[in-house]
Amino acid sequence: AQTVTQSQPEMSVQEAETVTLSCTYDTSESNYYLFWYKQPPSRQMILVIRQEAYKQQNATENRFSVNFQKAAKSFSLKISDSQLGDTAMYFCAFIPLPPIIQGAQKLVFGQGTRLTINP
Amino acid sequence: DSGVTQTPKHLITATGQRVTLRCSPRSGDLSVYWYQQSLDQGLQFLIQYYNGEERAKGNILERFSAQQFPDLHSELNLSSLELGDSALYFCASSVAITGTGELFFGEGSRLTVL
Repeated sequence: AQTVTQSQPEMSVQEAETVTLSCTYDTSESNYYLFWYKQPPSRQMILVIRQEAYKQQNATENRFSVNFQKAAKSFSLKISDSQLGDTAMYFCAFIPLPPIIQGAQKLVFGQGTRLTINP
Repeated sequence: DSGVTQTPKHLITATGQRVTLRCSPRSGDLSVYWYQQSLDQGLQFLIQYYNGEERAKGNILERFSAQQFPDLHSELNLSSLELGDSALYFCASSVAITGTGELFFGEGSRLTVL
């Protein structure tokens, strides 16, 4: 079974600081996608960044970047120059590819990290 | 706006009752997923439909059922409700075959069982 573990239930940093959220996963699959989703108080799930396992280069989206260590099954999210609007729950998620059965995919989530950016 | 529409946004009901949550996926998406998020918890996968057929099942209770209709919208039926069923229920959709694996989420339906 695939599992995703986020070991930091809560984190808090000052505005403009850099923060890193940790995520580890367990799978026997060789091809998969990894995601970080953000859930602000509005509760909408918003995709922050995506990483394909077959790509060695770490994904980057503006102030958000990942450190993907495939052998260690680690996928951390770094937020640079943090802003008040970054305050949210952050979920790490995993999905194997290609689907074993056509159309069958299951995104597995970690338990989340509650990030607070303080002014 | 993700393009996924969920109704109702909020629902308050009593124990023992039955409710139906509705989801309209993004235009062109064939897969619909249902997730349950209890208070301060991660998202627990309930069930997935692809083009009208059930494709994957998670820890969905027997009191819960779902279906996907020919127009691809989906409904999640929750019956004999218990206090512990209070949660945020998310619907998500994806292309599933040629997509990037990304799921697009609705805003969720907040169910409160009193």
